[in-house]
Amino acid sequence: QSVLTQPPSASGTPGQRVTISCSGSSSNIGNNIINWYQHLPGTAPRLLIYNDNQRPSGVPDRISGSKSGTSASLAISGLQSEDEAEYYCAAWDESLNGVVFGGGTKLTVL
Amino acid sequence: QVQLQESGPGLVKPSQTLSLTCTVSGGSISSGSYYWSWIRQHPGKGLEWIGYIYYSGNTYYNPSLKSRVTISLDTSKNQFSLKLSSVTAADTAVYYCARDGGVATILVWGQGTLVTVSS
Repeated sequence: QSVLTQPPSASGTPGQRVTISCSGSSSNIGNNIINWYQHLPGTAPRLLIYNDNQRPSGVPDRISGSKSGTSASLAISGLQSEDEAEYYCAAWDESLNGVVFGGGTKLTVL
Repeated sequence: QVQLQESGPGLVKPSQTLSLTCTVSGGSISSGSYYWSWIRQHPGKGLEWIGYIYYSGNTYYNPSLKSRVTISLDTSKNQFSLKLSSVTAADTAVYYCARDGGVATILVWGQGTLVTVSS
């Protein structure tokens, strides 16, 4: 059972917009920044969003992040086949005094 | 461009100690305010944070693993290491080393190494 809760799966057709949610508590998302990672099989995870809604260099602007209270969302618009991957949210947890990850959401492009 | 590379045995026997090293290239492990991290992924499961060591030497561990984990720095070799004691099959996973800029912001990852616990 992960501290941060994500839906196990999401899907969309090419060109669509999909969102992935991440729910936490006041000890993590509520009082700390949220980051999002994309993970393709056999590769290292890639930072997609940091500091709730900032994109590292090289991440397209069709990918965005938002946060409200103890929940956060990752949105991918103009869905492409290359977006098919596992997505994780992550944050610092003050109660655990450590980093916590969501359980991951597998995004399928239909 | 900082790069990380994990190394260590791919097979460890139950009850023994898993030992991995991460070699840092393209930058000094003792410069900058970074947290040198270990993260793992069990087969078919999600990411699990193991812990990290700050460049100053302070360590932070996942409470669920704390009694078995040691992370250390070797600045002379520009490496950091993970030791996980009393391993069981449940510790079989791909282990990643990573550089955390703070609050779970990880821009640099190693490629990952599979460690299997089996007799």
